[in-house]
Amino acid sequence: DIQMTQSPSSVSASVGDRVTITCRASQGISSWLAWYQQKPGKAPRLLIYAASSLQSGVPSRFSGSGSGTDFTLTISSLQPEDFATYYCQQGESFPLTFGGGTKVEIK
Amino acid sequence: EVQLVESGGGLVKPGGSLRLSCAASGFSFSSYSINWVRQAPGKGLEWVSSISRSSTYIYYADSVKGRFTISRDNAKNSLYLQMNSLRPEDTAVYYCAREKGIPVAGAVLVYWGQGALVTVSS
Repeated sequence: DIQMTQSPSSVSASVGDRVTITCRASQGISSWLAWYQQKPGKAPRLLIYAASSLQSGVPSRFSGSGSGTDFTLTISSLQPEDFATYYCQQGESFPLTFGGGTKVEIK
Repeated sequence: EVQLVESGGGLVKPGGSLRLSCAASGFSFSSYSINWVRQAPGKGLEWVSSISRSSTYIYYADSVKGRFTISRDNAKNSLYLQMNSLRPEDTAVYYCAREKGIPVAGAVLVYWGQGALVTVSS
């Protein structure tokens, strides 16, 4: 199985900050990586697929990069509605696997 | 509008069984693979199972293999998860989620239901 390791597990940031979250796969997954945002009590929301493609309706302040084993989600200017938990997920092979999550908290 | 609505959750004793359903609308159900993903209280996301459009390809997480069975009825636009021999560690919110369905995306989950809570406790 492909293990997904996210860091950091939590980050404190202020509105307007640039936030970067990293995700590492235990083996190469090309660009088969997605990022999700989840708020408490809600279902996850797809933000990025194919490592860098922005899902329809997602603000352009979200961007993704990387390929192979190392990936990054960047929020260019953090907005109040962005405080949430973020997960990466590999879609290269089954079993699908998620990272442990990164909680973005208000500083 | 794409909608996925789970039902069938509840409280069950260890060793018991439960069947979750997911009713889909707003898209051509038979054209997409559908997955179950769960989230234990206060924990992260865990993929559970996947079924392809015509049920040809079915996959399970090791943690549920041999106990859970995924199925679908394309005529009824419905997905199911039969859960047997339930354990306390199966306690979670169970989401059904539709794949994006384009080759370049891989297995990514674009539409999610609101979730159904399954609690396994004596």
